[in-house]
Parts: sequence; structure tokens; C-alpha cells
Amino acid sequence: ELKVEQNPLFLSMQEGKNYTIYCNYSTTSDRLYWYRQDPGKSLESLFVLLSNGAVKQEGRLMASLDTKARLSTLHITAAVHDLSATYFCAVDRIQGAQKLVFGQGTRLTINP
Amino acid sequence: DTEVTQTPKHLVMGMTNKKSLKCEQHMGHRAMYWYKQKAKKPPELMFVYSYEKLSINESVPSRFSPECPNSSLLNLHLHALQPEDSALYLCASSQDPAGAQNTEAFFGQGTRLTVV
Repeated sequence: ELKVEQNPLFLSMQEGKNYTIYCNYSTTSDRLYWYRQDPGKSLESLFVLLSNGAVKQEGRLMASLDTKARLSTLHITAAVHDLSATYFCAVDRIQGAQKLVFGQGTRLTINP
Repeated sequence: DTEVTQTPKHLVMGMTNKKSLKCEQHMGHRAMYWYKQKAKKPPELMFVYSYEKLSINESVPSRFSPECPNSSLLNLHLHALQPEDSALYLCASSQDPAGAQNTEAFFGQGTRLTVV
């Protein structure tokens, strides 16, 4: 059974600081996704990582994938308040159709 | 257009009611999904439709009945729900059901369901 674990689950940080969220998964998969969710809202796709060594950056967020270690990271650079949200990683298993399994989510709060 | 539209946005229903959630996408995606998300938890997969056929049912109770009338529409029929079924129900779609090509899943805004 595929399991996806994120840490930390809660993260409170100051504006301007850097931090990293980690996502480990238990079985082989070459595809990993990062989503953002604001309270009461839907999931916004941030990054799609499709191969070992993939690195993608958008603004202050950068995501990477190491399929051999079964690890993805989401790095936040010089955090700003607008990045406060819950971040989920998800891994898919193709079983006739794509099936996303989500991590528990990391609730990020950025304080002024 | 990368939009998945869900209606209604909010729904309150009694345990004896019958209601339906609707989801629509016009991106030509051939896979559509229903997820359930309880407060402060990650989304959990309920159903997957691939080329308008049900391909995955994650052991969901029969009081939830999915339907895919055509490639753009996905419904979730609700009957005799319990208060613990209260949650955010998310619809999603992706281009290629086999995941060989573009695998990104786009989510709708969700329907917040309250069962009283």
C-alpha cells in the first residue's frame, strides 16, 4: 500500500526566512505533485515532478524530486505572509487510472 | 481553460434526503474523480471514471452513487447520508486516464456538504 508522509505537519515561520517541507513515499513512483490549499478552498496545483532529479521553481517556491530516495522537497525562500496555506504532496499509482495518494499536509503560517 | 466547475458550492441535507452533486469540465479530459476531504485532513479518493466508465471504487458505501453521463460531466448522487458524511467533496479531472502523458489533475472548488 502506498503511503505518503510529510513533515513537518505544522510550520510557523517569520517573513524573510527560508524553510523546507519534506515528502516521503513508500513505493516506487516517478510522479509527484505539490498542491496548495487555502482554508475552505480547493486545491491549487503548484508543481508536477515527473522524473528523477526534476527541479521546478515558481517565485519563492522550489520543488525537487529524488525517486531513488523516494523524497520530494518544497523549499520556501524569503517567506511572505501570502504563502500561508496548507501544502500537500501527492503521489500517483496507475491502476487502470491515475490514483492520487496525498500526504497529511503541512499547515504553514508565516508571521510578519 | 483549466476550470473544473462544481455545483452547488454549499449543500445542507437531511438524512432522508436525496441530492446530487455536479461537476463539469471542458478541457477534453478523459479521467474524472471524486474526492472526499474532512476538516484538517488530506483528500481521499472515492471514485475514478476513465473514458466514462467507472474504473476505481475505493470501497465507498452505496449511499454514494457516481454517474458519468458524458465525457464532460460527473455526478455524485447522495441518499440516506449520515452526519459523518459531512465534508468537502472535490471533483477533479486529468487528461490521460492511463497517466502516460500529461498527468496533472485539476480540482474544482468543491461542494461543502453538511448532513443534519
